[in-house]
Amino acid sequence: SYELTQPPSVSVSPGQTARITCSGDALAKQYAYWYQQKPGQAPVMVIYKDTDRPSGIPERFSGSSSGSTVTLTISGVQAEDEADYYCQSADTSDIYRVFGGGTKLTVL
Amino acid sequence: QVQLVQSGAEVKKPGASVKVSCKTSGYTFTGHYMHWVRLAPGQGLEWMGRINPNSGGTNYAQKFQGRVTMTRDTSISTAYMELSRLRSDDTAVYYCARDDGDIYPFDPWGQGTLVTVSS
Repeated sequence: SYELTQPPSVSVSPGQTARITCSGDALAKQYAYWYQQKPGQAPVMVIYKDTDRPSGIPERFSGSSSGSTVTLTISGVQAEDEADYYCQSADTSDIYRVFGGGTKLTVL
Repeated sequence: QVQLVQSGAEVKKPGASVKVSCKTSGYTFTGHYMHWVRLAPGQGLEWMGRINPNSGGTNYAQKFQGRVTMTRDTSISTAYMELSRLRSDDTAVYYCARDDGDIYPFDPWGQGTLVTVSS
């Protein structure tokens, strides 16, 4: 089966930069997407196709890709960014979707 | 606007089955795959599978093969997810999410349905 690996947790102080990585073999061939999920709410996409930001998402959210690893960067973290973040991609057949295990971002 | 409205919370006993509905509006139901994703307490998002509402064709995650059945009723623009032989670790919020292509693979999401499995 296809897996995406994320760190379980990342902690930063307000105003600092948070980086969350996601690694998996198929990321070299498939796009990655990033979702933010807060308790009791449905996920919200913050990055699509590795690096693009949907309308309405603050500019402090950015994505990058290198080989089999993608990274979500949140610059100038704010308290409201505290949430769980998930990467998501597909297998090489583009049929089966997969989520990373999720990273809890704590704003100190 | 596009809306996905799911059925209400369920409480089931171990071994039972649950069927969650996802009623859609605001777009052509048969034009977009529908995915099902769950979030269990203390766990991460988990993709369960998808259905092509036009053909009824399905693809299930290996973990759920044999226990999950996804169906649809095109006359009422509604998708269904049935999970059988429930266990306590199936306790989770179950979401439907429309596939809107490369830019929005899951958009929008339903509001979620809490399924509690308890004896």
